[in-house]
Amino acid sequence: GESVGLHLPTLSVQEGDNSIINCAYSNSASDYFIWYKQESGKGPQFIIDIRSNMDKRQGQRVTVLLNKTVKHLSLQIAATQPGDSAVYFCAENRYGAGTALIFGKGTTLSVSS
Amino acid sequence: GAVVSQHPSRVICKSGTSVKIECRSLDFQATTMFWYRQFPKQSLMLMATSNEGSKATYEQGVEKDKFLINHASLTLSTLTVTSAHPEDSSFYICSALIPAPDTQYFGPGTRLTVL
Repeated sequence: GESVGLHLPTLSVQEGDNSIINCAYSNSASDYFIWYKQESGKGPQFIIDIRSNMDKRQGQRVTVLLNKTVKHLSLQIAATQPGDSAVYFCAENRYGAGTALIFGKGTTLSVSS
Repeated sequence: GAVVSQHPSRVICKSGTSVKIECRSLDFQATTMFWYRQFPKQSLMLMATSNEGSKATYEQGVEKDKFLINHASLTLSTLTVTSAHPEDSSFYICSALIPAPDTQYFGPGTRLTVL
């Protein structure tokens, strides 16, 4: 069935490196995407979002890229820090405005100093 | 802004008892809230959509008589796990929706352990 998935379950980087976390989605009708960060034992924390009428959005140290042609979403974290270590999920509003987000499987980012 | 709280953060109960989990939006009103559960090292799975003043909408495979949801006010939704069993042990997370742009803000989660 359709799902939001991530390419890699784990990603290990050195402190100071740039990290790229990828996500593929299958529903071309989805028009809103969010990246969340989840630390162990905590709820997901909003990082950044993007609508389908955009292909790039920047935040503080983070950038989200959306490629609707290949249905691909990525999260770039600049100058990765140990505090960035967490599980990252992409999510989509697959069923339209006001409906629940559907989450991908998650990528565990490990940052070593 | 956009803070969501959950209570309790952790609960241990005996098999057969019922447990109530509260989800509150602290600084905004939420007509719609969602309940998810998450097993270790897995993603969040949507259980139900909670709408203020109306019945919750449950996802396929989620027993509505076992997971009772009440959304009595614009800032509070509750999930009651009735006759809990060890297989109900999980991390339960709620979220509240802020429309336009439809951002969901999540609570810190409740760890339920059923002995």
